[in-house]
Amino acid sequence: AQSVTQPDIHITVSEGASLELRCNYSYGATPYLFWYVQSPGQGLQLLLKYFSGDTLVQGIKGFEAEFKRSQSSFNLRKPSVHWSDAAEYFCAVGKTSYDKVTFGPGTSLSVIP
Amino acid sequence: GEEVAQTPKHLVRGEGQKAKLYCAPIKGHSYVFWYQQVLKNEFKFLISFQNENVFDETGMPKERFSAKCLPNSPCSLEIQATKLEDSAVYFCASSPGTGEEPWSSEQYFGPGTRLTVT
Repeated sequence: AQSVTQPDIHITVSEGASLELRCNYSYGATPYLFWYVQSPGQGLQLLLKYFSGDTLVQGIKGFEAEFKRSQSSFNLRKPSVHWSDAAEYFCAVGKTSYDKVTFGPGTSLSVIP
Repeated sequence: GEEVAQTPKHLVRGEGQKAKLYCAPIKGHSYVFWYQQVLKNEFKFLISFQNENVFDETGMPKERFSAKCLPNSPCSLEIQATKLEDSAVYFCASSPGTGEEPWSSEQYFGPGTRLTVT
């Protein structure tokens, strides 16, 4: 069965600093990988997705992620964090467009002014 | 519509009462998914539909939970005899599920319904 781990439960960064959120997945084949963001009391917004091809994926709001098959990782990065980036971030994996998405436990991001 | 719509936004039920949640998927999307997000952020898959047919119900509790997606009606998730542990945010998502991969693989999420059982 597919699974996702996000080793960091909570991360605090200063505004303007760089950010990397870690994600590791377990899946037998090349998965579909996603990063979602959830602001307090809000729904899920897709930041970016990876299916195949270039392993460095660009997303919205200045985020990018890199797929590393050898490490079963799909880490999310942003070069300069803004206060509005404070939210919960979820990494997720799916098999096909018809399959359920399995979410990681989430990483809570706090941004210090 | 272009967004997944969920109603109501908030729902409060006394323990033992029935709760019914609704989801209108994006027009033209063939797949609908229900997820439950409990307080500790854990997402649990409940059930998915391909049009009006159940596609995957491996996450559905055997008792008290039921769901439907009927033609020309919003999809619904019903909980009979709610329990305190059912308190959660319930998200609906839809996916095109047609056409060439991989563009159709994204699931579009609604804003969620917060169910509070007292």
